[in-house]
Amino acid sequence: TQLLEQSPQFLSIQEGENLTVYCNSSSVFSSLQWYRQEPGEGPVLLVTVVTGGEVKKLKRLTFQFGDARKDSSLHITAAQPGDTGLYLCAGETVADSNYQLIWGAGTKLIIKP
Amino acid sequence: DTEVTQTPKHLVMGMTNKKSLKCEQHMGHRAMYWYKQKAKKPPELMFVYSYEKLSINESVPSRFSPECPNSSLLNLHLHALQPEDSALYLCASSQDHRGTAEAFFGQGTRLTVV
Repeated sequence: TQLLEQSPQFLSIQEGENLTVYCNSSSVFSSLQWYRQEPGEGPVLLVTVVTGGEVKKLKRLTFQFGDARKDSSLHITAAQPGDTGLYLCAGETVADSNYQLIWGAGTKLIIKP
Repeated sequence: DTEVTQTPKHLVMGMTNKKSLKCEQHMGHRAMYWYKQKAKKPPELMFVYSYEKLSINESVPSRFSPECPNSSLLNLHLHALQPEDSALYLCASSQDHRGTAEAFFGQGTRLTVV
């Protein structure tokens, strides 16, 4: 069974602080995606990382794909209340020509003003 | 237009009812998906349609019946559901079935079975 362990599961911090969310696996992924989901809404794709060691920046969010393509991190600098939400990572694998997304359990992030 | 539109947004149904969830996209995507999401959990894949043909059924009970009338529409027909089927049902689409890379999700239908 392929697993994607996401941590922490819950994080509540003050506005202006920095934070990092991690996704780790023993499996190699062809790509990894980060989504943000608000209550009662569908996930919104933030970024896709494909190459080992790749770093992508989206304003105050920095995404990194591990060199071995088994892990990824999301770092938020100077968090804002608007960053509050559920952050999900999802790794893409291929088995018997079938592509699958393996989802992390999610990180519920609350940024307090 | 980068939207996936799902209707209805909320649905309450009895265990003997028959209802349908609808999903529509006009991005020219050829892969469409149904997911089920319980509270505080990640989405669970139910079905994948690729070029209007069912390509993946993740052992979903037959009380859930998907239908893809054309490349823009995806339905999920519901019949004789159980209370434990209450969840957020998400539709997604992507350019093709290369996983769900660059997938766009709808807002979901919040389903309550009573």
